[in-house]
Amino acid sequence: DAGVIQSPRHEVTEMGQEVTLRCKPISGHNSLFWYRQTMMRGLELLIYFNNNVPIDDSGMPEDRFSAKMPNASFSTLKIQPSEPRDSAVYFCASSFRRGMNEQFFGPGTRLTVL
Amino acid sequence: ILNVEQSPQSLHVQEGDSTNFTCSFPSSNFYALHWYRWETAKSPEALFVMTLNGDEKKKGRISATLNTKEGYSYLYIKGSQPEDSATYLCAFSGATNKLIFGTGTLLAVQP
Repeated sequence: DAGVIQSPRHEVTEMGQEVTLRCKPISGHNSLFWYRQTMMRGLELLIYFNNNVPIDDSGMPEDRFSAKMPNASFSTLKIQPSEPRDSAVYFCASSFRRGMNEQFFGPGTRLTVL
Repeated sequence: ILNVEQSPQSLHVQEGDSTNFTCSFPSSNFYALHWYRWETAKSPEALFVMTLNGDEKKKGRISATLNTKEGYSYLYIKGSQPEDSATYLCAFSGATNKLIFGTGTLLAVQP
């Protein structure tokens, strides 16, 4: 298995532009998580899905952020419009839907908003 | 608000030293405690998942213990090597499969 796949790996955009981050979880995993890593707040959970259904989006910072999971093998995190303070590394992770199961992280997308 | 705390924040040791870190977490509604290793410019990788009070896990020179009644876990590294340099994260899981991460302990092992 190729592991969790994220694209793009790096994204540089200008303030106000729409940004879409993509994630392909490990085949067979039925939970998917989006995290954001910043110097100030460390690794914070934005949203997670079980069986393609959003379960907890309390970590989504504001309405400019949205996430979808149209099927078991694909998820997107969209920021519209983007702002410089959104600059961070965004990680996607997947696991089996049980708390004791480890999460497997993708390589992350480094987003820079100018 | 669930809080997971790790100490120390950072640690500098010499090659060959043994070291340990602490993770404290809520003792109520406990389901699992995870340890992850996170190297610079890479993504976190799972080391251990522990669920039972008194549980001990070992992988090579790294081991971990769990006390769910008092809400803490220790991670030990025996004979640290430069390649052990990384941030070590612990994460608490309650009734859901959502993980609450601590801020990590940054370990630097000098040759």
